[in-house]
Amino acid sequence: NAGVTQTPKFRILKIGQSMTLQCTQDMNHNYMYWYRQDPGMGLKLIYYSVGAGITDKGEVPNGYNVSRSTTEDFPLRLELAAPSQTSVYFCASSYLQGDEQFFGPGTRLTVL
Amino acid sequence: GQNIDQPTEMTATEGAIVQINCTYQTSGFNGLFWYQQHAGEAPTFLSYNVLDGLEEKGRFSSFLSRSKGYSYLLLKELQMKDSASYLCAVKDSGAGSYQLTFGKGTKLSVIP
Repeated sequence: NAGVTQTPKFRILKIGQSMTLQCTQDMNHNYMYWYRQDPGMGLKLIYYSVGAGITDKGEVPNGYNVSRSTTEDFPLRLELAAPSQTSVYFCASSYLQGDEQFFGPGTRLTVL
Repeated sequence: GQNIDQPTEMTATEGAIVQINCTYQTSGFNGLFWYQQHAGEAPTFLSYNVLDGLEEKGRFSSFLSRSKGYSYLLLKELQMKDSASYLCAVKDSGAGSYQLTFGKGTKLSVIP
């Protein structure tokens, strides 16, 4: 099992550009999550999904969108990149609600 | 809402024991996680406590007191590879019960 995989590992965007961060898990987990982590700060939940076709906002959803068309994939979309979105983004998944979460390796995004 | 506090940084000597504290205030506590995060890497699960008491797992132990809103992670026989950030995360039984709220993390440096 590959676990949770994320692409790309690194990306530099210009202000106003858009991009999609990819996340895939092969553990047949229903629950998937997107977090951002800023230096010296805890992980902040952006969006989460409890199954294919069902998504909901977390603590910091503004500027982001998600979709969950399959159990395996949970992409995160940035439509109009802003410098405030410079961060490390982690995708995670869990089998049950509130279970141990398995994290992907992260995407380091810089918006200039 | 939730408030989670843990020390920002700690330093300990190889072979020693270190205790990392976490205090929390939450409206509906439903469990506490500890994760380890090496620099530039993803968080990985260490322990989960939902009942009061001590959970031991090899060199690592985690303690919970729900009445005091307090947990600690105890690392014994410290090794250089234990240098990492340790994240405390609380699960809330309320409306956001799918979600974990993370503390800012404690950066542990193990010195020879």
